[in-house]
Amino acid sequence: DTAVSQTPKYLVTQMGNDKSIKCEQNLGHDTMYWYKQDSKKFLKIMFSYNNKELIINETVPNRFSPKSPDKAHLNLHINSLELGDSAVYFCASSQVGGGGEQYFGPGTRLTVT
Amino acid sequence: GENVEQHPSTLSVQEGDSAVIKCTYSDSASNYFPWYKQELGKGPQLIIDIRSNVGEKKDQRIAVTLNKTAKHFSLHITETQPEDSAVYFCAATSGAGSYQLTFGKGTKLSVIP
Repeated sequence: DTAVSQTPKYLVTQMGNDKSIKCEQNLGHDTMYWYKQDSKKFLKIMFSYNNKELIINETVPNRFSPKSPDKAHLNLHINSLELGDSAVYFCASSQVGGGGEQYFGPGTRLTVT
Repeated sequence: GENVEQHPSTLSVQEGDSAVIKCTYSDSASNYFPWYKQELGKGPQLIIDIRSNVGEKKDQRIAVTLNKTAKHFSLHITETQPEDSAVYFCAATSGAGSYQLTFGKGTKLSVIP
């Protein structure tokens, strides 16, 4: 009964490839997020999304795109992968109006070779 | 945008001693300040949070204080135990009404038995 789950946990791929990371939450939350954690453990917001609004961090390359098939899922698509995309990616969710508490998934470690 | 500074970056304490981690933020409109604990290979876990209308909040061995005038907040862990060893992150909302969190760079806490 994991609250926020991500697949895969590990992803190794070559430069130039396109890949996706899936995220699902069973908390009934209406807002989901993607964060990137670099090798120095710095956590940085990439996107926040609910059914009304997508907020994109201006530093995120347009090779990254979130896609939400429904309120419980927010997948991350990455095109033309680069070495610098190697990081751990975390999905999170929260309920707007519920105080803002965000709950994180276990992370996906992406390695681009 | 919001900027969150966190100190120290590493902290070692003897088991049973107290640990204090401090954060400052830049956006005076920020109103929500959570603390997360991240164990190795796992996602960040919300451990305590505080809102701008409260000066202090306590949950067993963990407490958080907020000084809105000075724009700083602190995490206090008393009677530390080896299982408290982890990386701790402070965060703040990016602005009034926003749930996008800006994180500090983290503090690696080591509790020495």
